[in-house]
Amino acid sequence: QITLKESGPTLVKPTQTLTLTCTFSGFSLSTSGVGVGWIRQPPGKALEWLALIYWDDDKRYSPSLKSRLTITKDTSKNQVVLTMTNMDPVDTATYYCAHRDPDPGCFDYWGQGTLVTVSS
Amino acid sequence: DIVMTQSPDSLAVSLGERATINCTSSQSVLYSSNNKNYLGWYQQKPGQPPKLLIYWASTRESGVPDRFSGSGSGTDFTLTISSLQAEDVAVYYCHQYYSLWTFGQGTKVEIK
Repeated sequence: QITLKESGPTLVKPTQTLTLTCTFSGFSLSTSGVGVGWIRQPPGKALEWLALIYWDDDKRYSPSLKSRLTITKDTSKNQVVLTMTNMDPVDTATYYCAHRDPDPGCFDYWGQGTLVTVSS
Repeated sequence: DIVMTQSPDSLAVSLGERATINCTSSQSVLYSSNNKNYLGWYQQKPGQPPKLLIYWASTRESGVPDRFSGSGSGTDFTLTISSLQAEDVAVYYCHQYYSLWTFGQGTKVEIK
């Protein structure tokens, strides 16, 4: 079965760079059409899509955050890494990674999420 | 960006009664070449990740009870829970995957 798990720091200081790792199993990021995305959710607020990487290393970013985000993959390790620069308290959120099925193209499996707090 | 707007923000429904959530996209999510609406619905319970309920606007994900149904096309969509159960208390999000990915602001469903 497909599982995903996020890992990374729970607390970062303002202006620092956040690095999160998504470790997955049950699928290959070499399979045509497959992708892994990152979505975040501030406490009590809505979901916000951040970035996605496809099996062929094509990448997509949220236009509003594009300048701060980088997504990469390590297919051999079954990992996807998201970095977000210049963190601010408004970036405090639960960060999820999720599997994007090529058909239909939305996120069908999600990790449990990791809460990242930005505070000095 | 395609902006997704849900209504209402919250609703309280008696057990066994119908719950209806609306979602409007700022542009059509209907892809003319395959006549599919790139619209999904998620359910999120407290402390849990979102769960995919419906994709292609009206196709239930495997294992989702048939009291959940989706309808609509183009820019206007609806999620209906035909007979609300206690376990359906959650926040529901619509989601477009036509152009990048965006979510609605969520609708909180409670028991009246």
